[in-house]
Amino acid sequence: DAGVIQSPRHEVTEMGQEVTLRCKPISGHNSLFWYRQTMMRGLELLIYFNNNVPIDDSGMPEDRFSAKMPNASFSTLKIQPSEPRDSAVYFCASSRDRGYTGELFFGEGSRLTVL
Amino acid sequence: TQLLEQSPQFLSIQEGENLTVYCNSSSVFSSLQWYRQEPGEGPVLLVTVVTGGEVKKLKRLTFQFGDARKDSSLHITAAQTGDTGLYLCAGDFGLVGTYKYIFGTGTRLKVLA
Repeated sequence: DAGVIQSPRHEVTEMGQEVTLRCKPISGHNSLFWYRQTMMRGLELLIYFNNNVPIDDSGMPEDRFSAKMPNASFSTLKIQPSEPRDSAVYFCASSRDRGYTGELFFGEGSRLTVL
Repeated sequence: TQLLEQSPQFLSIQEGENLTVYCNSSSVFSSLQWYRQEPGEGPVLLVTVVTGGEVKKLKRLTFQFGDARKDSSLHITAAQTGDTGLYLCAGDFGLVGTYKYIFGTGTRLKVLA
């Protein structure tokens, strides 16, 4: 089975440009999470969806960030306009609710560099 | 603010030594997970603990969940170079029916040959 697929793997852009990161979760998983990882702040939860509905976006840094999940097999994280402090590795993860817990399956991440 | 503190932040040991990594919070978790992350990859689940006081073993790794479900530890016996990586704990702070995993600050382990 294919794992979580993220694109692009690497993106270098200039400050002020729009960035769109994409994620295809594992088929059959009903929760999707976007995380951001930096050395300084570790792995931060930005937003998560359950059955395509945003449940908690309290981790989204500011209005420049937005995320959508139009269907069960696709999600995007958009940054507009981008700033150098947005440079990080962005991970998408999906899980299937299983009673008490759900295992997170992570993609390989999208490394974003904003110049 | 929900915060998971891990200690130590960095650990460098010789192959064959034992080590313990800690994960602490002021909040109660409904469940706690441990992940390992290698460079260029996403974290991979090692174990999930749900019940206070629970102990789980995975080969040379022993995981314990605190009685009050606010802390956890990971003990590695006879570390090997393949154990090198970033170890992350993750607490579930989600509402009933959904999962909200908040990750700890991480422990970066290096095992030397």
